Amino acid sequence: GQNIDQPTEMTATEGAIVQINCTYQTSGFNGLFWYQQHAGEAPTFLSYNVLDGLEEKGRFSSFLSRSKGYSYLLLKELQMKDSASYLCAVRGSASKLTFGTGTRLQVTL
Amino acid sequence: GAVVSQHPSRVICKSGTSVKIECRSLDFQATTMFWYRQFPKQSLMLMATSNEGSKATYEQGVEKDKFLINHASLTLSTLTVTSAHPEDSSFYICSAILRGLEFTEAFFGQGTRLTVV
Repeated sequence: GQNIDQPTEMTATEGAIVQINCTYQTSGFNGLFWYQQHAGEAPTFLSYNVLDGLEEKGRFSSFLSRSKGYSYLLLKELQMKDSASYLCAVRGSASKLTFGTGTRLQVTL
Repeated sequence: GAVVSQHPSRVICKSGTSVKIECRSLDFQATTMFWYRQFPKQSLMLMATSNEGSKATYEQGVEKDKFLINHASLTLSTLTVTSAHPEDSSFYICSAILRGLEFTEAFFGQGTRLTVV
């Protein structure tokens, strides 16, 4: 089966750094994705990890440890527009993406 | 970049009627398309996997006779919600994977907000 867990909600201050964790137990692993989703909109791709380690892309970084079934998304220099839901998704067999519960991030002044 | 177009973006229908949602890959051939449903403040739940020219594979608990999926070409998949009921009201999203790039990101359509009254 598939089990992907994230914190439900997080709050952080503009300009700060926030880390959103994701733990997973899945049958088959072909990569882990992070997506951002604003309310009522489709998800937009942020990052992809298939090997252990850190992937950096501008203000966003994502880390993966396959042996621990663990990933995190790091957002730096938070902006108000970063208030959104962040979805962790694991690609298993047949290229299927299974999404985690999602984390709603609220950025405050 | 690759674009997936989903239509309509919003639809309101009467209980008992059927609604068709289209998902098109505009500038690439999609090996596989996926259909998701999302209830308010919840994550995306995979409903079915659609491969061109073959029957869709449905996730456990999803009624295949209620949610009809047709993948007639490498650029078009359709989801038909038959005999819709108010509990079918949800946000439906499709995604597609590029042919030959099955292990890269999936591209999402804009989503369809279905309201059954």
